[in-house]
Amino acid sequence: SAVISQKPSRDICQRGTSLTIQCQVDSQVTMMFWYRQQPGQSLTLIATANQGSEATYESGFVIDKFPISRPNLTFSTLTVSNMSPEDSSIYLCSVGARGQEVAEAFFGQGTRLTVV
Amino acid sequence: ILNVEQSPQSLHVQEGDSTNFTCSFPSSNFYALHWYRWETAKSPEALFVMTLNGDEKKKGRISATLNTKEGYSYLYIKGSQPEDSATYLCAFGSGNKLTFGGGTRVLVKP
Repeated sequence: SAVISQKPSRDICQRGTSLTIQCQVDSQVTMMFWYRQQPGQSLTLIATANQGSEATYESGFVIDKFPISRPNLTFSTLTVSNMSPEDSSIYLCSVGARGQEVAEAFFGQGTRLTVV
Repeated sequence: ILNVEQSPQSLHVQEGDSTNFTCSFPSSNFYALHWYRWETAKSPEALFVMTLNGDEKKKGRISATLNTKEGYSYLYIKGSQPEDSATYLCAFGSGNKLTFGGGTRVLVKP
């Protein structure tokens, strides 16, 4: 299993500003994942963050809008840049069970972002 | 684009009643089907990861079945309790990359 500490848990931000979300894992993991859930929508994968290389973004998500850092095997940040009200969502970081291909995912507690 | 759908979107259940709801997913290139429970202000928590057609898994009063040939899974809650109130998510894929359904929000009324 993995325990993930995510912060902040919630924030209210002004449009045009940026917010950085942090996730700390209690063990070393190769890949970390960032998801978003917009109101009334499914949890959607934004990007996969690998240590030592650039993040891999899913269709519809770009690095300029969602820059990701992965400085070591236990930590990652996601920045939501130049925010607009459409960015109001729950953001979750996640890891898979280490060493297992078919494995459950573990999640942080989520960041509930409201952009005004 | 993978299409994972859950129904209903929400349901109200009387305490003590049993209920079930559905997840449908692509029947081709099946890898694994996950169920998670997500309570407000908490992390989503894994309930089951299912890989075999016909598989049935149980955890306390909650169980799930899997039909990979027709592309659906059912989640059952027996004798619902208020603490079962949560959003139940299904997801298709592996722990390394998951495609989620929209969730079924369950509210158990005392």
